[in-house]
Amino acid sequence: EAQVTQNPRYLITVTGKKLTVTCSQNMNHEYMSWYRQDPGLGLRQIYYSMNVEVTDKGDVPEGYKVSRKEKRNFPLILESPSPNQTSLYFCASSTLSSGRNEQFFGPGTRLTVL
Amino acid sequence: AQTVTQSQPEMSVQEAETVTLSCTYDTSESDYYLFWYKQPPSRQMILVIRQEAYKQQNATENRFSVNFQKAAKSFSLKISDSQLGDAAMYFCAYRSESGATNKLIFGTGTLLAVQP
Repeated sequence: EAQVTQNPRYLITVTGKKLTVTCSQNMNHEYMSWYRQDPGLGLRQIYYSMNVEVTDKGDVPEGYKVSRKEKRNFPLILESPSPNQTSLYFCASSTLSSGRNEQFFGPGTRLTVL
Repeated sequence: AQTVTQSQPEMSVQEAETVTLSCTYDTSESDYYLFWYKQPPSRQMILVIRQEAYKQQNATENRFSVNFQKAAKSFSLKISDSQLGDAAMYFCAYRSESGATNKLIFGTGTLLAVQP
């Protein structure tokens, strides 16, 4: 089954404790992206990657890091989480052949930083 | 920069009735794509319908259709014969054909309630 998986689905942590949210896709997509969803703000892009070893900042990159060492994986790293990073996070992937192509979303990760 | 605006934070519809969700956007580009995503309580993002800007014909997917007005930069979603399972948050989104980031730009969402 074609899918994007994220782990963990729920996470409660404390300020300053480093964490990683994993994202993996099995569709051989070149493009992967992280979004955060906040009430009243919709979804906003954090980081994206056009291919292995190619990553770039989105609209809200502060406090986040990413890496793309393999085509299928695109982890999101919070090295020193803060309460303002409490949010719902989505990973997405797609091919790059056309802007028409659907972006497939993972199931979301609910993060709470105390 | 492109923006997407959904001016209806919440809406309600009776089961079997028709409801229209509004979306406007701002762009200086001529080639782009517009999408409606559904987010049920499970939080999964589900693509409902997409529209290519170069197509004049409005997209239709079963009970879901759009009214795409390119000159007015308007992209509304019509849900016919509403069902209880249609209750969800709906997001309008824009994506440039030529943009380097392949980014989806989302509106703030409309929460749709379906009354039995």
